[in-house]
Amino acid sequence: GAVVSQHPSRVICKSGTSVKIECRSLDFQATTMFWYRQFPKQSLMLMATSNEGSKATYEQGVEKDKFLINHASLTLSTLTVTSAHPEDSSFYICSAGFGLGAFFGQGTRLTVV
Amino acid sequence: QQPVQSPQAVILREGEDAVINCSSSKALYSVHWYRQKHGEAPVFLMILLKGGEQKGHEKISASFNEKKQQSSLYLTASQLSYSGTYFCGTECEDSNYQLIWGAGTKLIIKP
Repeated sequence: GAVVSQHPSRVICKSGTSVKIECRSLDFQATTMFWYRQFPKQSLMLMATSNEGSKATYEQGVEKDKFLINHASLTLSTLTVTSAHPEDSSFYICSAGFGLGAFFGQGTRLTVV
Repeated sequence: QQPVQSPQAVILREGEDAVINCSSSKALYSVHWYRQKHGEAPVFLMILLKGGEQKGHEKISASFNEKKQQSSLYLTASQLSYSGTYFCGTECEDSNYQLIWGAGTKLIIKP
């Protein structure tokens, strides 16, 4: 089946630093990828839609200068959390659509200390 | 608009059955079901398309009532491995795979 690989699975960083999360579609091309954030015991919250070769579309309330998304190729989208703060600590998940169904990366647990 | 999932949580003994419902106020193209275990990404279970169908996978099956914009997930003879939070994701026409997620249903299976 289709596979989406997300890296890293877990990262701890100091407040004020930036963290890059990669999302790769391994066996298909994804013109669109989605980035979600999930707080404990809550549903997935869509942050932005990543479009290959163009600017990402951000959901209301999501700071585009803080959460930089780059979708440089049909198989790779990256999310960079810039100047991270403890409130950015969360579980971040990417997904890519292919045919019927959306496939998720493994998720990245970000802890900002 | 977020689909409504019910119940919010359910506790079962191993071998019992459960039904999880997902309803939307919008016309849907498809409904996706995922299971998420603590600390892990959601895992795809199945997708149901407009047209009103039922699908099954081992002891987990689902139905989609297009007229009511409702989907139900059926877990029969539940196993301990079924524990987790179940999410439905709804997709409207021309949404380009963008899903709108329900709040989730937490399922706890006890031995």
